[in-house]
Amino acid sequence: KNQVEQSPQSLIILEGKNCTLQCNYTVSPFSNLRWYKQDTGRGPVSLTIMTFSENTKSNGRYTATLDADTKQSSLHITASQLSDSASYICVVSMNTGFQKLVFGTGTRLLVSP
Amino acid sequence: EAQVTQNPRYLITVTGKKLTVTCSQNMNHEYMSWYRQDPGLGLRQIYYSMNVEVTDKGDVPEGYKVSRKEKRNFPLILESPSPNQTSLYFCASKSGGRGHTGELFFGEGSRLTVL
Repeated sequence: KNQVEQSPQSLIILEGKNCTLQCNYTVSPFSNLRWYKQDTGRGPVSLTIMTFSENTKSNGRYTATLDADTKQSSLHITASQLSDSASYICVVSMNTGFQKLVFGTGTRLLVSP
Repeated sequence: EAQVTQNPRYLITVTGKKLTVTCSQNMNHEYMSWYRQDPGLGLRQIYYSMNVEVTDKGDVPEGYKVSRKEKRNFPLILESPSPNQTSLYFCASKSGGRGHTGELFFGEGSRLTVL
């Protein structure tokens, strides 16, 4: 079954600290993996997109890694800010003839002052 | 400004009263899709459209209809809403109907409550 699992479900960190969110997937055939940030009550916004051949991609203080062999990805947030408080969603795209995205349920991050 | 616009943003309705949630994008994207988001379940795809007049079911299509008469618009229709359709709905679009790496742009969401 094609699934995307994220951990932890929720996380509280102090402002200025780093954190890492995990994403494991069983989606096949794999096309690409995306990380989205979703502020409460808002639509998700894309952070990174990685294809099979890419194993790291950065977007400011956000760095995503991908290990296609173990089917794992992580999102590392450096020097967290209060505005990083949001849900982070991992999405895997299937390499099929039509667009099929498999969504994780997200990690809810709270950055505390 | 590139955007996906949904209306209404908030709606409370009663069981059985037909409603339509509109979605419009100004990026000339071929691909559009509707999702619902419920606590603990994440985003689930309702319907998607690869281009004008081409639509297909997602994972949870029951109770919903869509149409794609124009490239920019992709309305979601609830013919006879029921309380289990109370949810947060998102419309999204991306370029390249069959492409896999295009960024998916989401609307701001429509929170629907069915009493």
